[in-house]
Formats: sequence, structure tokens, C-alpha cells
Amino acid sequence: QKEVEQNSGPLSVPEGAIASLNCTYSDRVSQSFFWYRQYSGKSPELIMSIYSNGDKEDGRFTAQLNKASQYVSLLIRDSQPSDSATYLCAVKGGSSYKLIFGSGTRLLVRP
Amino acid sequence: GAGVSQSPRYKVAKRGQDVALRCDPISGHVSLFWYQQALGQGPEFLTYFQNEAQLDKSGLPSDRFFAERPEGSVSTLKIQRTQQEDSAVYLCASSRRDRTKNTEAFFGQGTRLTVV
Repeated sequence: QKEVEQNSGPLSVPEGAIASLNCTYSDRVSQSFFWYRQYSGKSPELIMSIYSNGDKEDGRFTAQLNKASQYVSLLIRDSQPSDSATYLCAVKGGSSYKLIFGSGTRLLVRP
Repeated sequence: GAGVSQSPRYKVAKRGQDVALRCDPISGHVSLFWYQQALGQGPEFLTYFQNEAQLDKSGLPSDRFFAERPEGSVSTLKIQRTQQEDSAVYLCASSRRDRTKNTEAFFGQGTRLTVV
């Protein structure tokens, strides 16, 4: 079992819809959770971080964390074609400095 | 600097050649990470520095891989006797603090290494 799991996709949604991206992790002591966006041929760009159970909103993005279920998600409201990219979930343990990444979910927003 | 800077952006090496990849982190960032990303995969951890100290090199795939950060700023990842399986994008990231949960890491543009 991989430490951080994501559905590889592609997840295809129409423009204006809500895109829901999911991630599960295996290490129960994980404390910090991050979502990175990666355009083709580019490096990962940090878009959200979340540390506590519940929701965290930033513009069109909402990160959701459920530590009991070891589940973190990213919602993108009013999806735009420019949101088409691979979204990487990354997890850091309680006393660890190391970010563990999932393989990423490819999102395609259709105009 | 404004962001993490890596050079070169692209490197083509003949099999058996040695290469050196450079990372210039965000000014003042204590922590520096190297990751390797294969096509279609997420970044895989290679090594971690806190200032000049290499605290974790558990992800380096073989003893052909060596990293250093002698003055706690710029870091170099060296790969000796490159093999085709070394072809990947090598990403450097830095963060402001270490060993605290609220530390966000920022990536450079990466170096795409192709071994022919």
C-alpha cells in the first residue's frame, strides 16, 4: 500500500462545475497536508495547506481534512479550463520534515 | 531571491557521464530538499538538508548520487556514471523552518535530466 494514494484520473468536469479531488494516507500520525498544482512540464506549485480537521477555504479552493478517516480532499468551485493540471496531495508526519507525495490526479476542465 | 532557482533547466548526458545539478533556495530558508520525479509520478524524496547538515539521505537511489550544501545555502546534487534509469526531473524545494508542522515547501522549476 502506498503511503499517499490518489486516483490518477483523468477527472473531467465542465467549466463552471465543482471539481472534487481526493487523497488518502496511511500514516495516522501525519500532521500537515498540502495540495500542489502541477501544469504539464512545470514544477509543483503550492495552492493549499491544512493542518486541522475541517474545512479551509481560499478563494475558489476548499481543502477538507478528516484525520479519523485519514482522508483529505480539495474542492475547486467554478472550475476553469486554466485549472486543468495534475493535482498532487502531499503529507508530512508529526515530527517529520519529509513530504510524501501521491502520484497525482489529472484534472481536465472542458470549456 | 524571489524563488527557488535551479540550473541547468535541461541536461542531456551520455551514459557514464557525471552531472551536477544546482539549487539556489529562497533566501533565509533553513530547509532544503531534493526530489526526483519520473514521468506520470509524484515527486519522490531523495535527501534533506537543515542548513549545511544533511540530515536524511535515505532516498538517494544508489551511491552514485551525492548531495552537498557546504555553506547552508546553495546545494548541488551530483550523479556519477549516469544510467538511463536516472532520466527524470530533479526538483529542489526549500522551506523556512524545519521539524515544525506548519512549514510550507516551495519548489524550483526543476532540472530535466535525459541520459542517452
